[in-house]
Amino acid sequence: SQQGEEDPQALSIQEGENATMNCSYKTSINNLQWYRQNSGRGLVHLILIRSNEREKHSGRLRVTLDTSKKSSSLLITASRAADTASYFCATGSNAGKSTFGDGTTLTVKP
Amino acid sequence: GAGVSQSPSNKVTEKGKDVELRCDPISGHTALYWYRQSLGQGLEFLIYFQGNSAPDKSGLPSDRFSAERTGGSVSTLTIQRTQQEDSAVYLCASSLVGGQGYNEQFFGPGTRLTVL
Repeated sequence: SQQGEEDPQALSIQEGENATMNCSYKTSINNLQWYRQNSGRGLVHLILIRSNEREKHSGRLRVTLDTSKKSSSLLITASRAADTASYFCATGSNAGKSTFGDGTTLTVKP
Repeated sequence: GAGVSQSPSNKVTEKGKDVELRCDPISGHTALYWYRQSLGQGLEFLIYFQGNSAPDKSGLPSDRFSAERTGGSVSTLTIQRTQQEDSAVYLCASSLVGGQGYNEQFFGPGTRLTVL
């Protein structure tokens, strides 16, 4: 089974609203990464948060990590139609291998 | 600079034939990954190479799948005696291993494999 599991599976919001996606995982990690995939640009890395970090920001993105709950969240503020994509979390171990979840499909309606 | 490239971009083959998929990672990246993604699904880990270490093959679905990485750079994923269930997009990624461990993966555009 996948290490990272995203929740919800699908999310539909209006442009300008915030979108929150969650990721849960099972075993110890070295880092957690969020990626975006759309038909135009393929899979693109968004942000990486290490196990000793609790929160990280990048532009309109905010990621939190709670290692005690083995969970992470990705918040996209002031969403745009161009944010429509699938979002994946990937957990990285010290051994280097990353495991991806099945993703959250975000639709932002203009 | 150049990103990760994969070839071919599309491959249509007949059931039972062998196929080879190629990945050129970003120069200097020591880690290389292969994943498979079926339509509407997440990424399924296949195999991982790191430097000169033995590859992690734990994700290969059967012994029909194999991969090599020559000279620590280019990688080839080979699927023998292809089956229809092998149809998917095969993605390659590379990563720079830094002082704090493993970093972001840069993905190629993928090879869409269709087995008739």
